[in-house]
Amino acid sequence: QQQVKQSPQSLIVQKGGISIINCAYENTAFDYFPWYQQFPGKGPALLIAIRPDVSEKKEGRFTISFNKSAKQFSLHIMDSQPGDSATYFCAASKSGSWGKLQFGAGTQVVVTP
Amino acid sequence: DTGVSQDPRHKITKRGQNVTFRCDPISEHNRLYWYRQTLGQGPEFLTYFQNEAQLEKSRLLSDRFSAERPKGSFSTLEIQRTEQGDSAMYLCASSLASGGAGELFFGEGSRLTVL
Repeated sequence: QQQVKQSPQSLIVQKGGISIINCAYENTAFDYFPWYQQFPGKGPALLIAIRPDVSEKKEGRFTISFNKSAKQFSLHIMDSQPGDSATYFCAASKSGSWGKLQFGAGTQVVVTP
Repeated sequence: DTGVSQDPRHKITKRGQNVTFRCDPISEHNRLYWYRQTLGQGPEFLTYFQNEAQLEKSRLLSDRFSAERPKGSFSTLEIQRTEQGDSAMYLCASSLASGGAGELFFGEGSRLTVL
């Protein structure tokens, strides 16, 4: 079964707008939550990651919000740009096997000019 | 440093044939991972190595699949007696083993089509 559920499946946002992608997990042993960005024909690339000891992490225009009690985390892309058009995957893994990632199904983001 | 490289990038084969994919990780990385990605889905973990030791295999990895990393550098993933359900992108990633979580660096993948 899918251990990390991601929504929405796709979204369209205007340039300058905010893209929000949500993920939920069941396994409370997860303690590493990265987001990966994938362009067509390329492998995923790490965008930003968070550990559950903080509720928010910001890097440039990308912010992760983390709600441990709700077992949910989200990615906010501020001031979305056409170059941000890609598929975004949330993921989770456990301490001791952090590279064994459980990925969400992905969100295809299209930023219109 | 050219990143993680995978070969071939595309492979079309007939059902029942064997295929082999190669992955060359980033040179100083001692961990190497194989993932499988089907269309419209996130990558699924298959197996990983630390140096030459295969430390974990997913239940997704049937007996027809075998992976090796003989000298702790490059790795191969072989699929025997391919089935149409094996059609997917096979992604290799590498990382440094460290005390805490770090970044997986993915290659561009090897796309397999089984006819």
